Order: sequence, then structure tokens, then C-alpha cells
Amino acid sequence: AQSVTQLGSHVSVSEGALVLLRCNYSSSVPPYLFWYVQYPNQGLQLLLKYTTGATLVKGINGFEAEFKKSETSFHLTKPSAHMSDAAEYFCAVSGPLGDMRFGAGTRLTVKP
Amino acid sequence: KAGVTQTPRYLIKTRGQQVTLSCSPISGHRSVSWYQQTPGQGLQFLFEYFSETQRNKGNFPGRFSGRQFSNSRSEMNVSTLELGDSALYLCASSLVESGANEQFFGPGTRLTVL
Repeated sequence: AQSVTQLGSHVSVSEGALVLLRCNYSSSVPPYLFWYVQYPNQGLQLLLKYTTGATLVKGINGFEAEFKKSETSFHLTKPSAHMSDAAEYFCAVSGPLGDMRFGAGTRLTVKP
Repeated sequence: KAGVTQTPRYLIKTRGQQVTLSCSPISGHRSVSWYQQTPGQGLQFLFEYFSETQRNKGNFPGRFSGRQFSNSRSEMNVSTLELGDSALYLCASSLVESGANEQFFGPGTRLTVL
């Protein structure tokens, strides 16, 4: 079975500052890892995913994440936060046949 | 290509009633998953259907059920509603049954149980 833990339910950064959202996973099989973003009253939108290959994955809106097997981590970063980045972010893990499991989410606040 | 659609978007029911929510996946997608999202429990997996068969099921009571039709459209049903069933119910579709494929989410149905 797969699971993810997101460290920090709330993260606050200033506009222009680095964004770092932490995610650790547990999986008995090679995992597929995802980051999703949810804006108020909307569904989830995929930011990026790791399946195989390059461990540094680039996504939309300037976000990227690095798969570190030795640390079982898949942290999400963005060099410079923008006000429009304020949202809830979810890390998710999936096995080979689906059955996606989500973390509890991290709410990102961006201060002007 | 149209995205995942869910109907209705908002629903108000009373305890003891039952409710049916509908999800139309992206054209060509055969896998449909359902999630319950609440402030206290976060995103919880309900079940997943692929080619009209339930492949995976989360840890929810039998009051929660679902089905998928031959055109991949899916419905979920909650019987004997409880106050705790108030939540945003999200549907997601995926192209195939591989875990490597991302899920595309609909906007959700917000269910309020009074």
C-alpha cells in the first residue's frame, strides 16, 4: 500500500520568496508521484508528475519537484512565489494499477 | 476536448435521504475514481471503476456505492445520509488503468446534509 505525508499543513511565504512544500512517501513498489493544486471551489489540477527517468521534474507555473528515492521524498519548489500561487497543494502517490493516495494537503499563503 | 463534468454542482439533502451524483469523464477515458474531501479528513479515496468494474475500494461503509456505464460515465450513490457525509465529492478520470497516468478532476459536487 502507498501513502504520503505532507509536512506542514500551512506554509506562508512572501511574494518573490522561495516556495518549498514537503512530501514524503511510502510505497512497497516503485511509486508514481504527483503534485496537484486546488484553488477555492475548484477541482484538482495537475502540476507535475514523476513516473520514471529524470528525477527532477518540471511542471506548470514554474514549479518543479525532485524525486529522491534514498530520502523517500518528492518536495515541490518554486524559486519565486507569486500571489496567484496561493492555493492548496496535494502530493499523491500511485502504484502500478492506480489506486492513488493523497496527502493531507498544504495550504500556501503568499504575502505581498 | 471537454473536461470532467459533475452534476449537480451543489446539493442539499436531509439526514436519512439518499443521493446520486453523476460524473462524465473526458472522452476516451475509461477509469473513473471518486473521492470525498472534507476539512477534517482531507481527500479520501472512495472507489475506482475501470470498464464497468470496480477495481479498487477505499475504507467507506456500504452506504457508499457506485457504478460505471458502458460509455464510462459513472454514478455514486450514498444511502441513508448522515451529517458527516457533508463534503465535496470529486470525480477524476484517467486514460487507462496504469498508475502512471494522471487523473483529471472535475469541479466536484458539494453535498450538504442537514
